[in-house]
Amino acid sequence: ETGVTQSPTHLIKTRGQQVTLRCSSQSGHNTVSWYQQALGQGPQFIFQYYREEENGRGNFPPRFSGLQFPNYSSELNVNALELDDSALYLCASSYRQGLDSPLHFGNGTRLTVT
Amino acid sequence: AQSVTQLGSHVSVSEGALVLLRCNYSSSVPPYLFWYVQYPNQGLQLLLKYTTGATLVKGINGFEAEFKKSETSFHLTKPSAHMSDAAEYFCAVSGRAGNQFYFGTGTSLTVIP
Repeated sequence: ETGVTQSPTHLIKTRGQQVTLRCSSQSGHNTVSWYQQALGQGPQFIFQYYREEENGRGNFPPRFSGLQFPNYSSELNVNALELDDSALYLCASSYRQGLDSPLHFGNGTRLTVT
Repeated sequence: AQSVTQLGSHVSVSEGALVLLRCNYSSSVPPYLFWYVQYPNQGLQLLLKYTTGATLVKGINGFEAEFKKSETSFHLTKPSAHMSDAAEYFCAVSGRAGNQFYFGTGTSLTVIP
């Protein structure tokens, strides 16, 4: 069973630039969620994709956008990067929508904005 | 809305001692509760979950947690700490729509030899 994989592992960008982060979900999982984890904090929900459509969004501005592909992989795009966007970005997949379906996380992408 | 509060951002225990990490939740509906562990430079790994049924939940690596509705708590315990337990622990509750997890701010566990 292949787990959740994310790429790249580390990324350094300049304020104002755009970035794309990628995620391959665990085999058999059809739902992908993205979380932002700032240093010393718990993960914060960005959004979730189910069957290629956004299925819920946290308190993040529109410059955070995403995609889910037919093979359930996903991308997170962030435009007009700000210094505060520096964080660990975690992708998590799950088998289905549902209150009790646990999230399976990748190791994250560490984004540094200078 | 759902939320969790983890009491104690840092906990230190001696190797072999009891581990107790505290989590209190707030939820307007029956909650689904989770504990995750995060090792340095890694993602989060599921330790255990409570959905319905038995209130004492056993997880991996000898951890367990008890759901207490009257106290709105879901504390994580392990009878005997091991050096490999040193990590960051997060409590989480799932939202009503089932699409969002609300995480606590985490508790860093240090195990002293």
